[in-house]
Amino acid sequence: ETGVTQSPTHLIKTRGQQVTLRCSSQSGHNTVSWYQQALGQGPQFIFQYYREEENGRGNFPPRFSGLQFPNYSSELNVNALELDDSALYLCASSLVGGRTGELFFGEGSRLTVL
Amino acid sequence: DQQVKQNSPSLSVQEGRISILNCDYTNSMFDYFLWYKKYPAEGPTFLISISSIKDKNEDGRFTVFLNKSAKHLSLHIVPSQPGDSAVYFCAASKDSNYQLIWGAGTKLIIKP
Repeated sequence: ETGVTQSPTHLIKTRGQQVTLRCSSQSGHNTVSWYQQALGQGPQFIFQYYREEENGRGNFPPRFSGLQFPNYSSELNVNALELDDSALYLCASSLVGGRTGELFFGEGSRLTVL
Repeated sequence: DQQVKQNSPSLSVQEGRISILNCDYTNSMFDYFLWYKKYPAEGPTFLISISSIKDKNEDGRFTVFLNKSAKHLSLHIVPSQPGDSAVYFCAASKDSNYQLIWGAGTKLIIKP
C-alpha cells in the first residue's frame, strides 16, 4: 500500500509568480484535502476534492485553485504569489466512509516566496 | 479567531511518567475531536479521536478526555516513551466532515 506522496518537496519562487504542487493519494482513497501550515502554526484547511469536484473550501482567495484527476491524484495551484504564501503545503487523502477525520498526510511541499 | 487553542508550545516529561497535553476550543458546534502526531520532515499522523457524545476514548497508552462544559480536551500518554517525542496537534470538525480546524501544536519532549 503506497502512502501519500507530494512533489516537489522544496521550491523557491518570487512574488507574482505561479506555482503548481502535486499530490498522489494513498491507494484506494477517493478524497483529497490541501492544508497550508505556516511556521509555528497548525495546518489551515484550503479545500477538499471528492470525485474531481471541490467539496468544501476554507478562507483562501480564488488565486488558490485545485484539481483532482480520475486516478485521485491532485494539484494545488497558486497564482500571483505573495510573501505570506510561504509555508508548508500538506496534501491529505481519505476515504469516504472511513474513520471520521482520519486523514493520511504526505510529507508536504515547502514553498518559499521571495 | 482561533477556534482551537493549544496554550502550551512545549512540554518536557520524564520517560515512564504520564504526559498530559491540553486543548481548548470555542465553537460548541464541533462534534468530533482528534489528535495527530507529527515528527520532523513527516506529515501528521492520526493518533486518536473522540466523538462529542463521549467523554473518554482509550487506545493502548493513549487516552483522550473530553469535557464539553469546559470546552476542553486532553490527551494522556502513559507511560511516556522516547518515541513519543513529537509535535502533537489537536483538531476539531463540525458535522463530522474532513475540514479540520487545528491548534498550533505542542512539542512533547520525553527525557530519558
